[in-house]
Amino acid sequence: KQEVTQIPAALSVPEGENLVLNCSFTDSAIYNLQWFRQDPGKGLTSLLLIQSSQREQTSGRLNASLDKSSGRSTLYIAASQPGDSATYLCAVKEFFNDMRFGAGTRLTVKP
Amino acid sequence: DGGITQSPKYLFRKEGQNVTLSCEQNLNHDAMYWYRQDPGQGLRLIYYSQIVNDFQKGDIAEGYSVSREKKESFPLTVTSAQKNPTAFYLCASSISGGEAKNIQYFGAGTRLSVL
Repeated sequence: KQEVTQIPAALSVPEGENLVLNCSFTDSAIYNLQWFRQDPGKGLTSLLLIQSSQREQTSGRLNASLDKSSGRSTLYIAASQPGDSATYLCAVKEFFNDMRFGAGTRLTVKP
Repeated sequence: DGGITQSPKYLFRKEGQNVTLSCEQNLNHDAMYWYRQDPGQGLRLIYYSQIVNDFQKGDIAEGYSVSREKKESFPLTVTSAQKNPTAFYLCASSISGGEAKNIQYFGAGTRLSVL
């Protein structure tokens, strides 16, 4: 059964710092991997979707990479801002199964 | 404007009571999903529906029931058989078919607590 792990569970950085969030998964036979943002008490907002054939996706200050063979994905946030403070979740989609979510990394960017 | 609406935002359940969480979407999506989120855990799938009048159990369906009588609506009932219902419940929808079906759009959630 696919397991998705996100480390660390929480991260606090000063404003302006570049940072990396990590996501690992146990079964490399995935269809795609998706990064979401969740603000406290809110739903999920999709940030980036990487298909299994892709290595990375970029959107503004965000860059997500995918290494299927090692079962890892990273979300790189450049020049972090206090508005980036939120919980970031990764989820993998397998071919015949539903999405499997990690527990998330709670990011705090201090002004 | 288009989107997914969940109501109520907060819900309280008494012992032995059934409660129903509403999820409505006007995105013309075929597929809809219900997830449960507990602190420190990832989202877990309760039920999903790929088309009207059809739905499938997810990983943690016990103590829950759903219906899909209309394309726009996918209500979730938390029954008295669910002994630990306190959680944040998220509804999502997606277009079925092709790559687009893998992009799920989420509602704002309903927080359920037990009195």
